[in-house]
Amino acid sequence: EMQVVESGGGLVKPGGSLRLSCAASGFSFSNAWMSWVRQAPGKGLEWVGRIKSKIDGETTDDAAPVKGRFTISRDDSKNMLYLQMNSLKTEDTAVYYCTTDIGRWGLNPWGQGTLVTVSS
Amino acid sequence: QSVLTQPPSVSAAPGQKVTISCSGSSSNIGSNYVSWYQQLPGTAPKLLIYGNNERPSGIPDRFSGSKSGTSATLGITGLQTGDEADYYCGTWDISLSAGVFGGGTKLTVL
Repeated sequence: EMQVVESGGGLVKPGGSLRLSCAASGFSFSNAWMSWVRQAPGKGLEWVGRIKSKIDGETTDDAAPVKGRFTISRDDSKNMLYLQMNSLKTEDTAVYYCTTDIGRWGLNPWGQGTLVTVSS
Repeated sequence: QSVLTQPPSVSAAPGQKVTISCSGSSSNIGSNYVSWYQQLPGTAPKLLIYGNNERPSGIPDRFSGSKSGTSATLGITGLQTGDEADYYCGTWDISLSAGVFGGGTKLTVL
């Protein structure tokens, strides 16, 4: 069964940093394009960014609101995905989900998410 | 404001059919596959439809998807109270080089 489990969320002050992790299992992680999606309280889904597989160049794409502040990385030896978040703003407060593209823009599975709260 | 436009809410009676629209542009829906997600209250999103009209294993055929030009539609037949949820469309936008979602549609089964 394909599964992802996010961790690392918490309370951080504006301007601070946090690193989220995502543990993947049940699929070929090294071949997977992985994405982060967030959801602010009471709001809709917002795509954050993605990282391609190593064979596809391991390049990243980031949403405009996080470009230059967030960095996505992966460790295929551990089946782990990471989201390094720097210069955090109050508007980054959200539940962060990791997911993978199974093809034809199908994002699946989704974990339970990890809550990041940016507040002074 | 979301790149993809969905109606904020739709409603229908149990057993009836409902459709949810998702409108975009040539740089997103017009040139890429569309997917749909169901988010039940307090839970993570779940993939319902991908590749415009394909269902992952385990998703009942009451759920269907279609795409025409720069718009996509999710259809749900035989509505059940358990279908009450928020529904989101999503795709890739080649101009933004980013994934994009609709603002979400809240389905109420009256």
